[in-house]
Amino acid sequence: DTAVSQTPKYLVTQMGNDKSIKCEQNLGHDTMYWYKQDSKKFLKIMFSYNNKELIINETVPNRFSPKSPDKAHLNLHINSLELGDSAVYFCASSQEWGGQDQETQYFGPGTRLLVL
Amino acid sequence: AQSVAQPEDQVNVAEGNPLTVKCTYSVSGNPYLFWYVQYPNRGLQFLLKYITGDNLVKGSYGFEAEFNKSQTSFHLKKPSALVSDSALYFCAVTLIKAAGNKLTFGGGTRVLVKP
Repeated sequence: DTAVSQTPKYLVTQMGNDKSIKCEQNLGHDTMYWYKQDSKKFLKIMFSYNNKELIINETVPNRFSPKSPDKAHLNLHINSLELGDSAVYFCASSQEWGGQDQETQYFGPGTRLLVL
Repeated sequence: AQSVAQPEDQVNVAEGNPLTVKCTYSVSGNPYLFWYVQYPNRGLQFLLKYITGDNLVKGSYGFEAEFNKSQTSFHLKKPSALVSDSALYFCAVTLIKAAGNKLTFGGGTRVLVKP
C-alpha cells in the first residue's frame, strides 16, 4: 500500500536515448511534483501539477516533458538524454487545499538515472 | 525568492547526546517550514512541519524543531540521539500561493551518530 510509487527504481541508459519515469500516488492528493537530486544531494523542484494542470515549471530544458493523465499519475519523459541528466528523480504529492495535512509533500522512493 | 541555508555539511554526535541540526531561511512573507530525512538509497521521509501556532513543533521519531521568527531559524533537535538517526536531513521552506506549493530545500546536513 505504498503511498507514492515510482518506476523504475533504477534506469541505466545511453546518451541520446529517450526514457520515461512513472509516478503514481494513492493518497487522493490533487497536486504532484517532480524534483531532481544531483550528485551533491542538492534537491530542486522541476515541475508541479494540480489536477492535471501544470502549475510550476522551473527553467527545465524542453527535453523534459511531464505528463499527467489523471490526478493520481505524473510521468516524466526525457528526450535525448545527456550525461548531466544523471541524478535521482523524486516524485511527490500533496493536498493543495483543505485538511490538516495540507502543504505536506510526500515523496516517492526515487528513480536513480545513470546516463552513459 | 525563497532560500534555505543549512550551515553544517555534517554533524557528529555520540549516541545518547543531544542532536541539533541548524536551518535558517529567507522568504517574503510567512513561511511554512519542514524537515525531511533521507536514509541511504531511500526517498525523503517527512519528519515535522511548522505552519502556525506554537513555535515548538514535535514530529516523528522523537524529533522536534523550534521556529524563531526574529532569527529566521528552524533548528531540528532531538534530546538523545540514536545510531539509527544517522542520515541526511533536509530543511525546506514554502509559501502557499494560488499558483502552487514550491518547496525550496537547504543543501542537507549529514548526521553521524556514533555508538
